Amino acid sequence: TQLLEQSPQFLSIQEGENLTVYCNSSSVFSSLQWYRQEPGEGPVLLVTVVTGGEVKKLKRLTFQFGDARKDSSLHITAAQPGDTGLYLCAADQGGKLIFGQGTELSVKP
Amino acid sequence: GAGVSQTPSNKVTEKGKYVELRCDPISGHTALYWYRQSLGQGPEFLIYFQGTGAADDSGLPNDRFFAVRPEGSVSTLKIQRTERGDSAVYLCASSWGRPRDTDTQYFGPGTRLTVL
Repeated sequence: TQLLEQSPQFLSIQEGENLTVYCNSSSVFSSLQWYRQEPGEGPVLLVTVVTGGEVKKLKRLTFQFGDARKDSSLHITAAQPGDTGLYLCAADQGGKLIFGQGTELSVKP
Repeated sequence: GAGVSQTPSNKVTEKGKYVELRCDPISGHTALYWYRQSLGQGPEFLIYFQGTGAADDSGLPNDRFFAVRPEGSVSTLKIQRTERGDSAVYLCASSWGRPRDTDTQYFGPGTRLTVL
């Protein structure tokens, strides 16, 4: 059983569409992180959400941490082909990161 | 500045052979982490060093896997008697080490290991 469940696993959309990726758990976390990984590269940190109910924006990306600090979402507005990649949520467990299985996003022009 | 580097970028070996994977962390980073990523999955934690010592090796799957960081900088992940199931991308990350709640891990590009 995954500690962090991400959905959907795969998402293929057209340029300009909006999308939301979910990261859910039955556990409570002090924080959650979102990463983006491109082929042949390691994950790159996008944002860390810390406070329950927190919303953070990074250009067209909006990250939300659930009120109970058990889940998080990533919303992308007007997706572009450059957004294509693997999106991962992760929780810090005493130094080590525990990752979800990832959402593979493909944005077609 | 230079990021985390890993060598080799690709390694093909035969079942039963021994392999070493190298990680050069960002200069000054005291913490170093190894993860393994299988196709279509998120990275899976293997081991974490703080300085020269292994602070947490709970993710190493069995005693065929061993990692060292003798001088607190470069680390080597060693896999003995490789099996086909060891095929994966092995990722290394480094960080300043503290304070824990704001410590960001920076990942290298990984070593793709293929065991035939």
